[in-house]
Amino acid sequence: EAGVAQSPRYKIIEKRQSVAFWCNPISGHATLYWYQQILGQGPKLLIQFQNNGVVDDSQLPKDRFSAERLKGVDSTLKIQPAKLEDSAVYLCASSLSLAGYEQYFGPGTRLTVT
Amino acid sequence: QKEVEQNSGPLSVPEGAIASLNCTYSDRGSQSFFWYRQYSGKSPELIMSIYSNGDKEDGRFTAQLNKASQYVSLLIRDSQPSDSATYLCAVWRWDTGTASKLTFGTGTRLQVTL
Repeated sequence: EAGVAQSPRYKIIEKRQSVAFWCNPISGHATLYWYQQILGQGPKLLIQFQNNGVVDDSQLPKDRFSAERLKGVDSTLKIQPAKLEDSAVYLCASSLSLAGYEQYFGPGTRLTVT
Repeated sequence: QKEVEQNSGPLSVPEGAIASLNCTYSDRGSQSFFWYRQYSGKSPELIMSIYSNGDKEDGRFTAQLNKASQYVSLLIRDSQPSDSATYLCAVWRWDTGTASKLTFGTGTRLQVTL
């Protein structure tokens, strides 16, 4: 069974530029999550989708971050414009459903904003 | 008070010894509990899940849950240098009609010495 796929793996941009990350979850997983992990901290949930609907985006900085999951499979997370404090690893995870199933993480995208 | 608390470490144990990692959580309504292992520069990998009070064993790993004390632990027997990593405790809660939420601690760094 293929795992969660993410791209790109690394990205370096200047502040005020925009960036987009892509995620393809494990086949059959209805729930998809985007997390931000700053060095030395645990992952922090940004947004979660159930199929193609947003379930929780309460911690997403909506003035600069946006995410979508078209057709209930792949998802993209965008930052526009980026700030220095956005430097982090962006992790995508998926699970069978919202109901407490284990979440499995992709390899992440390491973003550096200069 | 942090929602999920872990000692950041490093916890240093000699090869072959038992490593004991601890986690406390603040939300009494939490329903599912997970341990993730994260190697430096890699994404979190699920190693244990536990849902009811007591012990759950899987190979060299044992997870322990005490909901009354709001305490979760992970024991690693016969510790190996390859166990050197950061261990993240994660706590999940879901209520009907609201979004589920998986909250991570900041992780405990484990070092297994030769």
